[in-house]
Amino acid sequence: EVQLVESGGGLVQPGGSLRLSCAASGFTFSSYWMSWVRQAPGKGLEWVANIKQDESKKYYVDSVKGRFAISRDDAENSLYLQMNSLRAEDTAVYYCARLEFNSYQATYYIDSWGRGTLVTVSS
Amino acid sequence: DIQMTQSPSSLSASVGDRVTITCRASQAISNYLAWFQQKPGKAPKSLIYAASSLQSGVPSKFSGSGSGTDFTLTISSLQPEDFATYYCQQYNSYPWTFGQGTKVEIK
Repeated sequence: EVQLVESGGGLVQPGGSLRLSCAASGFTFSSYWMSWVRQAPGKGLEWVANIKQDESKKYYVDSVKGRFAISRDDAENSLYLQMNSLRAEDTAVYYCARLEFNSYQATYYIDSWGRGTLVTVSS
Repeated sequence: DIQMTQSPSSLSASVGDRVTITCRASQAISNYLAWFQQKPGKAPKSLIYAASSLQSGVPSKFSGSGSGTDFTLTISSLQPEDFATYYCQQYNSYPWTFGQGTKVEIK
């Protein structure tokens, strides 16, 4: 069974930093693209970043470029999101997600989600 | 960026009803579309990918259709456990974008 468990959320002041982690189990982590998706309180879902298996490709939503960095440690079966220069609008539940490969479409899509970790940016 | 627009934003339905939710993309995305279900306080759950392919373990009462810019999610016979918010999402190009959600409530 695929399990994704996020951690590292909490209260941080504007301008501060936080590092989120996602512990993966139940599948061969090194074989999958991974993703972060967030949801502000009472709002919809927003894609944040994707990372390829070998970290050779990383993609970000414009609002976090230059401030957030996605990374992974395949030996630890872990995904990370380093968040710097945090703003009030970054307040959200952050979900870790696994991306499955669709050979017919030759692309990736979200197939599994973690339970999320809450990040609150406030003074 | 590709904008995804869902309609309606909310709907009230009864147990046993057939429910259809529409998702429109601001430009053609072929069939690079997924649907998710989210219940209050819970993580999203993946339902459909490639516009019409059911995720493993998802009951066949859920179905998806469409290609290009117009897509639909249909629940054939609404059950109590189906009351939730549903989101579409395009993965045709970056940045990936979601619809604003459709909340399905009990009538």
